[in-house]
Amino acid sequence: EIVLTQSPGTLSLSPGDRATLSCRASQNVSSSYLAWYQQKPGQTPRLLIYGASNRATGIPDRFNGGGSGTDFTLTISRLEPDDFAVYYCQQFVGSPLTFGGGTKVEIK
Amino acid sequence: QVQLVQSGAEVKKPGASVKVSCKASGYTFTTYYMHWVRQAPGQGLEWMGIIHPSGGSTNAQKFQGRVTLTSDTSTSTVYMELSSLRSEDTAIYYCARRSSIYGFDYWGQGALVTVSS
Repeated sequence: EIVLTQSPGTLSLSPGDRATLSCRASQNVSSSYLAWYQQKPGQTPRLLIYGASNRATGIPDRFNGGGSGTDFTLTISRLEPDDFAVYYCQQFVGSPLTFGGGTKVEIK
Repeated sequence: QVQLVQSGAEVKKPGASVKVSCKASGYTFTTYYMHWVRQAPGQGLEWMGIIHPSGGSTNAQKFQGRVTLTSDTSTSTVYMELSSLRSEDTAIYYCARRSSIYGFDYWGQGALVTVSS
């Protein structure tokens, strides 16, 4: 099973700040098979990034994904009030599919 | 537009079973895989299994023997049945579609299953 470790657990930032979220895999993950989601309280997860760096439909260009192998990042260039949420990475290599434990981006 | 509409909340006693449905619309049902993901209160996301609407499913090892995934192409509905329920199974259960990309692009609204004596 591929374990995804997200860090930090919580990120306290202000609107306008840049957020950098990390997702580290216990084994190599092909870039094609790494996704990021945003989840707000009481809502379903929303796909942000697939294939490590491709924005899903309707996702603003302030969200950027990158990385390869075992280290992946999600960067939010300038935080807007609507971006404060929990973010999860997910891998699609083999079974079981796994999610990271999440990073909460909170208002400082 | 694509929609995944799930059945409502359930309250079950320990040892019972629950069956959650997920009705798809707005696309060709048999084209894409459907996954099931759960989220315990205040916790992260946990993958449970995958089903192709035309047949064939795989469950996470953790749920082997307890989860049954089925599909009804006549109603464009997939089902997840979880048996031998315990309190730790209290969670929101989501269906989620994976289309041609490796990401869940559409999610059901979730079904809260509460296991309590």
